[in-house]
Amino acid sequence: QVQLVQSGSELKKPGASVKVSCKASGYTFTSYAMNWVRQAPGQGLEWMGWINTNTGNPTYAQGFTGRFVFSLDTSVSTAYLQISSLKAEDTAVYYCARVTVTQPNDYWGQGTLVTVSS
Amino acid sequence: DVVMTQSPLSLPVTLGQPASISCRSSQSLVYSDGNTYLNWFQQRPGQSPRRLIYKVSNRDSGVPDRFSGSGSGTDFTLKISRVEAEDVGVYYCMQGTHWPWTFGQGTKVEIK
Repeated sequence: QVQLVQSGSELKKPGASVKVSCKASGYTFTSYAMNWVRQAPGQGLEWMGWINTNTGNPTYAQGFTGRFVFSLDTSVSTAYLQISSLKAEDTAVYYCARVTVTQPNDYWGQGTLVTVSS
Repeated sequence: DVVMTQSPLSLPVTLGQPASISCRSSQSLVYSDGNTYLNWFQQRPGQSPRRLIYKVSNRDSGVPDRFSGSGSGTDFTLKISRVEAEDVGVYYCMQGTHWPWTFGQGTKVEIK
């Protein structure tokens, strides 16, 4: 069965960096793009962008350029989200998600809570 | 960006009764291929989101048939024919026609 397993919660200081991983199993990793979604505490969902798992080409939504980087290691079927120069407002749960708007069935990771606090 | 506006934002419902959530987009969601990429997601408390409906009215696998989606152009509706306790959570519409994909603010469904 398809599974997306994310890395555990992180507590970081402002200005630091964090790298969240999302390990996929149960399907051919390079057959589907990987999306990233942010949810700030008590808030709604925000689409950050996606990465083409064939080419490694990322696409970022406005507001997620510069400090946010999507990457892959296809040898271990894993997608990564790296956030640099962390700010308090980056505190959120970050989800990876295999969602295609043209086809049925979506799959989400369990979410990774990143807390930025001094 | 396309703005998705949901109403109501809070929906207290009685078990066994129907519920309806409206979603309006700031521009048409009809794509150049003729399809309308309007999705509905459910997020139960403490859980990851899960999609219920894609392309306006198509249920994802395992979604109970008490959930239905309808609409066209810029106006869409999610209906629950008879609310059950497991339906408590926040419901989001999301458009996948225009980049970036955007979500509505969410509608919190709770039991009266």
